[in-house]
Amino acid sequence: DIQMTQSPSFVSASVGDRVTITCRASQGISSWLAWYQQKPGKAPKLLIYAASSLQGGVPSRFSGSGSGTDFTLTISSLQPEDFGTYYCQQANSFPLTFGGGTKVDIK
Amino acid sequence: EVRLEESGGGLAQPGGSLRLSCAASGFTFNNYDMNWVRQAPGKGLEWVAHISASGSVIKYADSVRGRFTISRDNAKNSLDLQMGGLSADDSALYYCARNPWDPPHFDYWGQGALVIVSS
Repeated sequence: DIQMTQSPSFVSASVGDRVTITCRASQGISSWLAWYQQKPGKAPKLLIYAASSLQGGVPSRFSGSGSGTDFTLTISSLQPEDFGTYYCQQANSFPLTFGGGTKVDIK
Repeated sequence: EVRLEESGGGLAQPGGSLRLSCAASGFTFNNYDMNWVRQAPGKGLEWVAHISASGSVIKYADSVRGRFTISRDNAKNSLDLQMGGLSADDSALYYCARNPWDPPHFDYWGQGALVIVSS
């Protein structure tokens, strides 16, 4: 199975800050990575697929990059509504696996 | 509008069974692969099972293989998860999630069905 490791596990940042979350796969997954945002009590929301493609309706301050084993989700200018937990998910092979999550808190 | 609505959650005894259903609307159901993803209270996301649009390809997580069965009825726009041999480790919010295209990722999710396994 492909293990997905996210870091950091917690981020506290101010409005307007640039926030970067990383995700590392235990083996190469090409560009087959997705990112999700989950707010408390809600279902996850797809932000990015294929490592860098922005899902429709997602603000352009979100971006993804990387390939192989190392990936990054960047929020260019953190907004109050961006609080929540962010998960990466590898789509390269079954079993599909998620990272452990990064909780983003607004200072 | 795409909608996914799970039902069938509840309290189950250890070793018991439960069947979850997901009613889909707002899209052509038989064109899309579907999945179940679960989340234990306060924990992260865990993929559970995948079924192709036609139902011909099925995949399971190791943690549920042999105990859970995913199925779909394209005529009724519904997705099911038959769960058996339940243990406390299966207690979670179960989401059905649509897979827009390969490779598998999830663009729409239901609100979840809560399963609690306890005596």
